[in-house]
Amino acid sequence: AQRVTQPEKLLSVFKGAPVELKCNYSYSGSPELFWYVQYSRQRLQLLLRHISRESIKGFTADLNKGETSFHLKKPFAQEEDSAMYYCALTPVNFNKFYFGSGTKLNVKP
Amino acid sequence: EPEVTQTPSHQVTQMGQEVILRCVPISNHLYFYWYRQILGQKVEFLVSFYNNEISEKSEIFDDQFSVERPDGSNFTLKIRSTKLEDSAMYFCASSEFPRVGTEAFFGQGTRLTVV
Repeated sequence: AQRVTQPEKLLSVFKGAPVELKCNYSYSGSPELFWYVQYSRQRLQLLLRHISRESIKGFTADLNKGETSFHLKKPFAQEEDSAMYYCALTPVNFNKFYFGSGTKLNVKP
Repeated sequence: EPEVTQTPSHQVTQMGQEVILRCVPISNHLYFYWYRQILGQKVEFLVSFYNNEISEKSEIFDDQFSVERPDGSNFTLKIRSTKLEDSAMYFCASSEFPRVGTEAFFGQGTRLTVV
């Protein structure tokens, strides 16, 4: 069963434009949601997690349980934001992460 | 900052050969994972390991795959008889004891090419 869906494979925006990377999930219960980022030639790293309600590098994500979404947003994209972004979910027993298929964000100058 | 390290960074092997991918998780972590990413596709869960045994495995993780923690630091993934379709990037990850908001820390990956 597809647990995490990222509908956009590629998202291109101009520098300074707002960006929203979509993530929808399907899981009964209360999963934990994360966004991971993979910059070119680097490892996957945590960007932010739902539980912390934090803003990292200007990115925020709000969990909408009614729409089962966890979209990632940034009001003004920067060129250094260009990367692959993965939405991820852990079930309540936390013994694995389910990843979406990823969205490649390309921020043009 | 502690990191998960993986060796080798790139492994080329002939079809049918056995390969062992090695990982050194972060030292105080208790949960270990292997994921793979076939070129152009998403990151897929293979297996999780806790308390010296497999916690969960996916349907990809068939009898050709095995994991081991041979000592206190290494965590290995063995593919007994590699197939062309095993060519992928393999990521090791580790996390602290699972609790709300626990993140997984990933290694830089091993690119496995089966020829």
